[in-house]
Amino acid sequence: GQQVMQIPQYQHVQEGEDFTTYCNSSTTLSNIQWYKQRPGGHPVFLIQLVKSGEVKKQKRLTFQFGEAKKNSSLHITATQTTDVGTYFCAGPHSDSSYKLIFGSGTRLLVRP
Amino acid sequence: SQTIHQWPATLVQPVGSPLSLECTVEGTSNPNLYWYRQAAGRGLQLLFYSVGIGQISSEVPQNLSASRPQDRQFILSSKKLLLSDSGFYLCAWSKGISGQPQHFGDGTRLSIL
Repeated sequence: GQQVMQIPQYQHVQEGEDFTTYCNSSTTLSNIQWYKQRPGGHPVFLIQLVKSGEVKKQKRLTFQFGEAKKNSSLHITATQTTDVGTYFCAGPHSDSSYKLIFGSGTRLLVRP
Repeated sequence: SQTIHQWPATLVQPVGSPLSLECTVEGTSNPNLYWYRQAAGRGLQLLFYSVGIGQISSEVPQNLSASRPQDRQFILSSKKLLLSDSGFYLCAWSKGISGQPQHFGDGTRLSIL
């Protein structure tokens, strides 16, 4: 069945270092979405990418959608303690596009 | 703007007791609605979703059920809770179009004793 994998599972960085998480789908996706879940909180939608090769930025966060629309990355420049949380990628499910298939998430810890 | 309300925030229930969690959405019509469960430190497991009143799709066989009695109301129920039902339950909505981003409620932390 369809799978969405994220690596790494965990990343522990020093504040100010950069961070990247990668998302790989077994199938082509019509779009890719990224969510952030703070410890103890709920997932919050960050951004949606639709076009092949698309790059979007939100302040220190850079999101990329691969040319084949099967992979994506989230890069954070100069991490801050406020970046702590788990980052999930998600895409429309091949069974029904009304539901999403989520990656397993990358948990980011930042040492102050 | 759209808002989603989910309650209660925490719940402690004995094994074998019933469950009813409610979720309501405001500021939109005909949303898609979702129930997820998340174990501690784990990913999101889709339990049910609904694209319209009375339409429920079940994703995982279990002793839980869902209902959508009104357009913007989604209810998660169980007749008899199991220890394995413990977890963080999240309700979410999206626009009634396929592939749309989902917006989550604050969640309910359910502990079964």
